[in-house]
Amino acid sequence: GAVVSQHPSWVICKSGTSVKIECRSLDFQATTMFWYRQFPKQSLMLMATSNEGSKATYEQGVEKDKFLINHASLTLSTLTVTSAHPEDSSFYICSATLAGAETQYFGPGTRLLVL
Amino acid sequence: AQTVTQSQPEMSVQEAETVTLSCTYDTSESDYYLFWYKQPPSRQMILVIRQEAYKQQNATENRFSVNFQKAAKSFSLKISDSQLGDAAMYFCAYKDSSASKIIFGSGTRLSIRP
Repeated sequence: GAVVSQHPSWVICKSGTSVKIECRSLDFQATTMFWYRQFPKQSLMLMATSNEGSKATYEQGVEKDKFLINHASLTLSTLTVTSAHPEDSSFYICSATLAGAETQYFGPGTRLLVL
Repeated sequence: AQTVTQSQPEMSVQEAETVTLSCTYDTSESDYYLFWYKQPPSRQMILVIRQEAYKQQNATENRFSVNFQKAAKSFSLKISDSQLGDAAMYFCAYKDSSASKIIFGSGTRLSIRP
């Protein structure tokens, strides 16, 4: 149980285009989802926390207009990287928690390459 | 602010041997959770073990066990009978009981020598 999927697993796009990444909890209802960014050989950096039906809470230094997060249902959250640039190239990971639970379950990640 | 420190960037162990990964944390809270996550080359984050701060008994999961020293704010992970599949990045993590987000350490890269 507690499976989280992400789509796509990798994406290559041209500079200036927008890219949407989906995060789904497959077998549970996730009241809270998280979006992380991970650079090579580094730890996970939390970008934002999203609760179903509410606006996401962004971490300091993360541009909310650049990284749009939508948590429209208890099983789906999306991250849209708007007007992507090469410096946005990274590994993006989502996670989700069950209501009242303490453990985060992670998706397999999405590798984004902006040319 | 809470912090998590992993002082060993890399560790190496012979297959079938035992290895201990260190983790210390800083918090003024009394109720919290601690985790060890594994990130293999596939980069999928996998929960290895979890410890509730209010429990004195150290958590164990098969070959994985922790040494939780609350007063010292230490939370080490012991891997017994190391296997090649244990090779991965290991992250120690902390979560307040009242907060939703997890704070991760910088990670320890574990390699297994056949």
